[in-house]
Amino acid sequence: DAGVTQSPTHLIKTRGQQVTLRCSPKSGHDTVSWYQQALGQGPQFIFQYYEEEERQRGNFPDRFSGHQFPNYSSELNVNALLLGDSALYLCASSFEARPLSPLHFGNGTRLTVT
Amino acid sequence: GIQVEQSPPDLILQEGANSTLRCNFSDSVNNLQWFHQNPWGQLINLFYIPSGTKQNGRLSATTVATERYSLLYISSSQTTDSGVYFCAVVPGGSNYKLTFGKGTLLTVNP
Repeated sequence: DAGVTQSPTHLIKTRGQQVTLRCSPKSGHDTVSWYQQALGQGPQFIFQYYEEEERQRGNFPDRFSGHQFPNYSSELNVNALLLGDSALYLCASSFEARPLSPLHFGNGTRLTVT
Repeated sequence: GIQVEQSPPDLILQEGANSTLRCNFSDSVNNLQWFHQNPWGQLINLFYIPSGTKQNGRLSATTVATERYSLLYISSSQTTDSGVYFCAVVPGGSNYKLTFGKGTLLTVNP
């Protein structure tokens, strides 16, 4: 039973560029959430996707956008990268029909913006 | 929004020692999870414990929802226990939006 998988594991980009991160949820899960973890901080909620729509959003600018595909996998896109976007980006999946169950996290994508 | 406070922020132990990590939260919760983040950034589920007590080997956790706190106990610590321990909650009425504390950095020395 595959867990949450994310790609790539590491990425280096230049200020102003755009980046796309990918996530495949745990088998049987249909909801995907994205988190940003800056160095020395706890993860911060970016947004959540369910039924291919953004359902909740944290305090992040519109430069951060996402998408969910019919197979429940998801992408996180960040435009006009800033140095402050350097962070570990974590994807978490869950099953909508079982709201009182734990979230499962992937190993993350470490993004460095130079 | 809900506030999650973890203590202590840093903890240094000798191998074999026991420790207790605390998580206080400011409002009712539907979900509470404890995670261990290893030095490579991998976030590992330890416990899903919105209430009650659970044990898994040398680790155990207790959540007293009515008093809005949770405790994580680590017994006979090992160097592999080193890392950051996070408490994260889903506020009542919310759906899966985990709010994390700032974590406890645990260092276990041989």
